[in-house]
Amino acid sequence: QKEVEQNSGPLSVPEGAIASLNCTYSDRGSQSFFWYRQYSGKSPELIMSIYSNGDKEDGRFTAQLNKASQYVSLLIRDSQPSDSATYLCAVNPNYGQNFVFGPGTRLSVLP
Amino acid sequence: GAGVSQSPRYKVAKRGQDVALRCDPISGHVSLFWYQQALGQGPEFLTYFQNEAQLDKSGLPSDRFFAERPEGSVSTLKIQRTQQEDSAVYLCASSFQAGGNEQYFGPGTRLTVT
Repeated sequence: QKEVEQNSGPLSVPEGAIASLNCTYSDRGSQSFFWYRQYSGKSPELIMSIYSNGDKEDGRFTAQLNKASQYVSLLIRDSQPSDSATYLCAVNPNYGQNFVFGPGTRLSVLP
Repeated sequence: GAGVSQSPRYKVAKRGQDVALRCDPISGHVSLFWYQQALGQGPEFLTYFQNEAQLDKSGLPSDRFFAERPEGSVSTLKIQRTQQEDSAVYLCASSFQAGGNEQYFGPGTRLTVT
């Protein structure tokens, strides 16, 4: 079992819809969780961080964390074609300072 | 302000050559990380520095890989006797503090070994 799992996609949504991206992790002691956006040929760009159970909103983005279920999600409201990218879930495991990344979910927002 | 910078952006090496990749973190960031990203995959951890101390090198794939950060700022990742399987994008990230804080990535160096 991989430490951080995501559906690879592609996930296709129409413009203006809500895109829902999911991530599960195996290290129950993990405390910090992050979502990165990566455009093709570019480096990961931090979108959201979340440390506590519940929801955290920033503009059109909402991160949701459920530590009991070891589940993190990212909702993108009013999706735009410019949101089309790969979204990486990153987890800081209990055993180290580094991040463990999932394989990423490719999102395509159709005009 | 200036973000994380990396050089070169692209590097082509013949198999067996040594390469050196440079990372200049965000000023004042204590922590520096190197990751390797293969095509279609998420970044994989290589090594971690807190200031000049290399506290974790558990992700380095072989003893051909070596990293340093002698003055606690700029870091260099060196790969000796490159192999085709070393072809990847090498990403550097920095963080203001240690301990699971937000990491900011540089543009990466794309290494191609022929």
